Amino acid sequence: GEDVEQSLFLSVREGDSSVINCTYTDSSSTYLYWYKQEPGAGLQLLTYIFSNMDMKQDQRLTVLLNKKDKHLSLRIADTQTGDSAIYFCAERGPGTYKYIFGTGTRLKVLA
Amino acid sequence: KAGVTQTPRYLIKTRGQQVTLSCSPISGHRSVSWYQQTPGQGLQFLFEYFSETQRNKGNFPGRFSGRQFSNSRSEMNVSTLELGDSALYLCASSPGTGAGEQYFGPGTRLTVT
Repeated sequence: GEDVEQSLFLSVREGDSSVINCTYTDSSSTYLYWYKQEPGAGLQLLTYIFSNMDMKQDQRLTVLLNKKDKHLSLRIADTQTGDSAIYFCAERGPGTYKYIFGTGTRLKVLA
Repeated sequence: KAGVTQTPRYLIKTRGQQVTLSCSPISGHRSVSWYQQTPGQGLQFLFEYFSETQRNKGNFPGRFSGRQFSNSRSEMNVSTLELGDSALYLCASSPGTGAGEQYFGPGTRLTVT
């Protein structure tokens, strides 16, 4: 199928690490992306990873990619209340600029 | 660089009417994609335009159409509106090559009554 799957909710305490998981559909996807959406706003690009990479780190964000299992994760270190939002993963297949987005994970950070 | 702008931000229409939404991408970007976001269906891809040509298309009926101008600005049109078309319509700007990372506008909230 064409569903990119994410768990619906995640709750963490401020200062802890958050890990948001995503299972994508196409093992030949070339790029995978993470976006953040705050209430009433559009999506904000956080980071992306090329499919020949296993890991990418960008300040508090770490992306892990397991191509064999078609599994992508986003780790947010030292999670803050401002990180509360919905997080979407997205994949792009080879030779196309058509993107498939996941269902979104709502992250709630407790003070 | 200025971000992606979408107009109008809010719109209320009646069933059967038509609507046109506008998107101005980031300067230098040649690709504009449109998405429909609803609580039930999530983020659904409508279509993508690159250098004035529709390059990719999602699974929406022909009532949904779009175009892109030579300055990369894009419009999306929905004809014969239905209640189910009520949604947040998001436009995404991208270089359209390489990593193809997308930058989203704030969206247009369309309500059909």
